[in-house]
Amino acid sequence: GQQVMQIPQYQHVQEGEDFTTYCNSSTTLSNIQWYKQRPGGHPVFLIQLVKSGEVKKQKRLTFQFGEAKKNSSLHITATQTTDVGTYFCAGREGGATNKLIFGTGTLLAVQP
Amino acid sequence: KAGVTQTPRYLIKTRGQQVTLSCSPISGHRSVSWYQQTPGQGLQFLFEYFSETQRNKGNFPGRFSGRQFSNSRSEMNVSTLELGDSALYLCASSLRTAFYEQYFGPGTRLTVT
Repeated sequence: GQQVMQIPQYQHVQEGEDFTTYCNSSTTLSNIQWYKQRPGGHPVFLIQLVKSGEVKKQKRLTFQFGEAKKNSSLHITATQTTDVGTYFCAGREGGATNKLIFGTGTLLAVQP
Repeated sequence: KAGVTQTPRYLIKTRGQQVTLSCSPISGHRSVSWYQQTPGQGLQFLFEYFSETQRNKGNFPGRFSGRQFSNSRSEMNVSTLELGDSALYLCASSLRTAFYEQYFGPGTRLTVT
């Protein structure tokens, strides 16, 4: 079945440094969503990408969907302590199964 | 607009018992999905309901079941609990289907002893 892997599993950065997490699917995705989960909290929707090669920005966050629609990335510029949390991608598997599969997540720690 | 609510927030059960968890979606949302979150397996999809019909189901045993009522509220039931069922159970609602923006509830932390 479909697998969605994220790398790295964990990243520790100094405040002000940049951060990138990568999401890779074993199959082509119809779309991809990104969520953030703060420690002790629940996932919060960040964005959805649908088109091949799509790039979207939200302030310091930049999201990309690969040309082949099998990978995606989230880049944070100049991290802040408020960026701490686990970032998940979630891909929709096309075809009959039509399930939303969550990636393994990347835990970001930001040291002030 | 009120967010997704889940009850109870915490639950302790013993092996072999059954449990029912409840989820009230955001008003107007017709899709409710359930997820199991554990440190080892991450976020795993259980099932999705839309207009009282199960639309999708994850790879969980038949002990896990759910239903949705006409007011879109949903319940999830786990029978014959096992130690491995200890997890955070999250409910998420969406306006149309789970492939659109999902709003998660705070979750129910289930501990099986």
